[in-house]
Amino acid sequence: KAGVTQTPRYLIKTRGQQVTLSCSPISGHRSVSWYQQTPGQGLQFLFEYFSETQRNKGNFPGRFSGRQFSNSRSEMNVSTLELGDSALYLCASSFEGSTEAFFGQGTRLTVV
Amino acid sequence: GDSVTQMEGPVTLSEEAFLTINCTYTATGYPSLFWYVQYPGEGLQLLLKATKADDKGSNKGFEATYRKETTSFHLEKGSVQVSDSAVYFCALSDSNYQLIWGAGTKLIIKP
Repeated sequence: KAGVTQTPRYLIKTRGQQVTLSCSPISGHRSVSWYQQTPGQGLQFLFEYFSETQRNKGNFPGRFSGRQFSNSRSEMNVSTLELGDSALYLCASSFEGSTEAFFGQGTRLTVV
Repeated sequence: GDSVTQMEGPVTLSEEAFLTINCTYTATGYPSLFWYVQYPGEGLQLLLKATKADDKGSNKGFEATYRKETTSFHLEKGSVQVSDSAVYFCALSDSNYQLIWGAGTKLIIKP
């Protein structure tokens, strides 16, 4: 079956712009989590959605937001982009109640 | 809060050498423990997992045992290959199903 799909794979944006990233989970997975990966900070949890509700949120500013649709697809949005937002953004999906997460290939965001 | 500490890299080995990457954790409760691998330009792939004390996870020749008494989950492989070159992440899943990550260890295998 298809894995987790993230689009786009690469993005270049200018400071001050906003960006929307998309994640389609594995069929049947209702939990979707987002992570930011940077060389300096490593992997950091952004937020987790389940059945269109945000269940958990990491320690990121309000410029980072997300949502989940009824088909479990998720989007994350970053407004007023800063240079420090340049990172690999990873999405993961899992079955309800499972601790095992399956990751997409990520979206590489570069802010210039 | 919960945390994961893993040995810093890079770790450089010759092909067929024995591999150990150390990972220790602090957590309240009884987390599940994971090793993920990231190849260049790729996302994260689950390598193995263990959900309770004394469980041994294994996959592709890699093994790790959940040691509650030492709060450790060290990754081992008896004979590494060049294709094992990647970054390895140790992680735990907390009570909110959030993954807490180690910093990652870059593994370089030389022919």
